[in-house]
This record gives sequence, structure tokens and C-alpha cells, in this order.
Amino acid sequence: EIVLTQSPGTLSLSPGERATLSCRASQSVSSSYLAWYQQKPGQAPRLLIYGASSRATGIPDRFSGSGSGTDFTLTISRLEPEDFAVYYCQQYGSSQFTFGPGTKVDIK
Amino acid sequence: EVQLVQSGAEVKKPGESLRISCKGSGYSFTSYWISWVRQMPGKGLEWMGRIDPSDSYTNYSPSFQGHVTISADKSISTAYLQWSSLKASDTAMYYCARFIITISPRGYYYYYMDVWGKGTTVTVSS
Repeated sequence: EIVLTQSPGTLSLSPGERATLSCRASQSVSSSYLAWYQQKPGQAPRLLIYGASSRATGIPDRFSGSGSGTDFTLTISRLEPEDFAVYYCQQYGSSQFTFGPGTKVDIK
Repeated sequence: EVQLVQSGAEVKKPGESLRISCKGSGYSFTSYWISWVRQMPGKGLEWMGRIDPSDSYTNYSPSFQGHVTISADKSISTAYLQWSSLKASDTAMYYCARFIITISPRGYYYYYMDVWGKGTTVTVSS
């Protein structure tokens, strides 16, 4: 089973700053199987990125994804107030989805 | 609008059975698989399993195999998550999500969950 780890656990930033979130896999993952989700308190997760770098419908272009192999990154170029949330990476392999533990982006 | 509408919150006692539901609308229900995802209080997301509503084929995460049953009734565009004997440790929020498999122009398969229900809270307490 592929294990995903995310770092940092918490990222404290101010609005307007750049956020860089990391997702590392225990073994190589196909880029097309890697997605990112945002979850705000009391809400369901929302798809941000699929295929490691493709933005989902309606997602602002300040969100971007990159990476390959075992190392993937979600970047938020300029944090807006509504971006403070928890972010999860997810991969699909061996007919299973697995999620990382999440990175919380909170207001500094 | 594509939507997944989940059933309401449940409060149950240990040992009781439960079935929660997820009704799809705004799309062809049998064209997409449905996944279930657990989120325990204050914790992260855990994928439980999925069903193909067209033929009710399922597969489960090893962590949930044998503990829950996923089913679907395509005639009413509804998927279900069922327990035969609840435990206190089943207390959680449960989400259903539409499972997407697409192929890029270059032939790569993409797997992700694009539309999510709002969740059903299940509380198991004596």
C-alpha cells in the first residue's frame, strides 16, 4: 500500500503570501493518479487539482499543482481569506484511494 | 446541477444496524462509480470503498472490508452504506463522492472524486 505523507502539518501564513504544500509518496505514483482537495470546517472536501497539475472546474488559477514520482506540490500563489483550510493529497493505486494526513493552512 | 444528496444525521446504540444513503441527480447515475469516505472527529479522510451502480460491483479498502456493505439501487439513483452491528468507533462523518475515471488525449487515466455529498453524521453511543 502506498502511504502519503504531507508537510508541513500546519502552515501559518498571512493573506497575500505564497503557500507551498508538499505531498510525498512511499513509492512512485503515476502523476495522473494524484489529486488535491480542500476542506473547510464543517464542509465536505472540494476537488482542486487532478492529474497532479490539472485544475478542476471553477478553481482559481492561484492554485497550481506540480510534481512527479514520489514528490508532489500544491502551490497557492497569493492566499485569499477563503483559502485558509485543510488540504489533502490523494492517490489511486491497486484499486484503492489513499489520502495524506492533510496540511492545515491557518492565518498567521 | 450535479448533486449528491445524503441522508440525515443518525444517532444509534452499539449493536444496532444502520443504512445511510446518497442520491445522485443531474447526471447519469450509472455512468459513474460512487465512493464512500469516512472522517472521524478531528481526523483526516479515509477511503472506504466504491460501487459501480450499473452492476453493483464493489471493492473495499482492506481497512473496511467485512465491516461495512456498500450497495446501490440504480432505479432510484441511490447508493447506500450499511452496518449490521455498529460500534462506538463508527462514530464519524461519512461522505459519498462521485468517482471519476477519465482518459486524457494522450491516453493517461485520471482517477479522482469530483462531486461530494455534504456528509452524514453517525453517532454511536450507549
